[in-house]
Amino acid sequence: DAGITQSPRHKVTETGTPVTLRCHQTENHRYMYWYRQDPGHGLRLIHYSYGVKDTDKGEVSDGYSVSRSKTEDFLLTLESATSSQTSVYFCAITEGQGGYEQYFGPGTRLTVT
Amino acid sequence: GENVGLHLPTLSVQEGDNSIINCAYSNSASDYFIWYKQESGKGPQFIIDIRSNMDKRQGQRVTVLLNKTVKHLSLQIAATQPGDSAVYFCAEASTGGFKTIFGAGTRLFVKA
Repeated sequence: DAGITQSPRHKVTETGTPVTLRCHQTENHRYMYWYRQDPGHGLRLIHYSYGVKDTDKGEVSDGYSVSRSKTEDFLLTLESATSSQTSVYFCAITEGQGGYEQYFGPGTRLTVT
Repeated sequence: GENVGLHLPTLSVQEGDNSIINCAYSNSASDYFIWYKQESGKGPQFIIDIRSNMDKRQGQRVTVLLNKTVKHLSLQIAATQPGDSAVYFCAEASTGGFKTIFGAGTRLFVKA
């Protein structure tokens, strides 16, 4: 499982509240990704990181921010949660530059009421 | 499963038969293609990959075929087992890029 954990695994929150999801990896991988998965859409990239403090936007980044202050942790923040952000969120890593196969964490199911 | 779409294309096969899952990809510039398997309640799991300079690659019980002319990818699973029941995603990427594009997935049911 490439040593990837996500927390929390489940969360219910109210519209307008901030939420932070954590991805933690134990194998010192440089590249980390946040995806959301919704019915009919497959996996869509929110943000990714190519090193400590180096991040960039994916295709669905509006309403999300990320931070990576150390190699092992990649945080995803919903600044003001909306019902459209109800989804399952997956963190992933790639093993080294040029590696395209991704290894995924177990996911966080977020419900915004 | 909680992570998969309610209206995914579905393939139902008998245990022991071979399965073929198809995928059409979108970007002619993609040069790396991957298949993932996702079981209910879990994250996607890498199965097999193929580069654009190949048209076939075999793994353990799985074979991926690539047809660049029609931008088509397929995953063949030999002697399908109940443990193969899952959603299967194809994905495409480009050399030097960080972004992988995932398909919507196909649900495979294996009947005992």
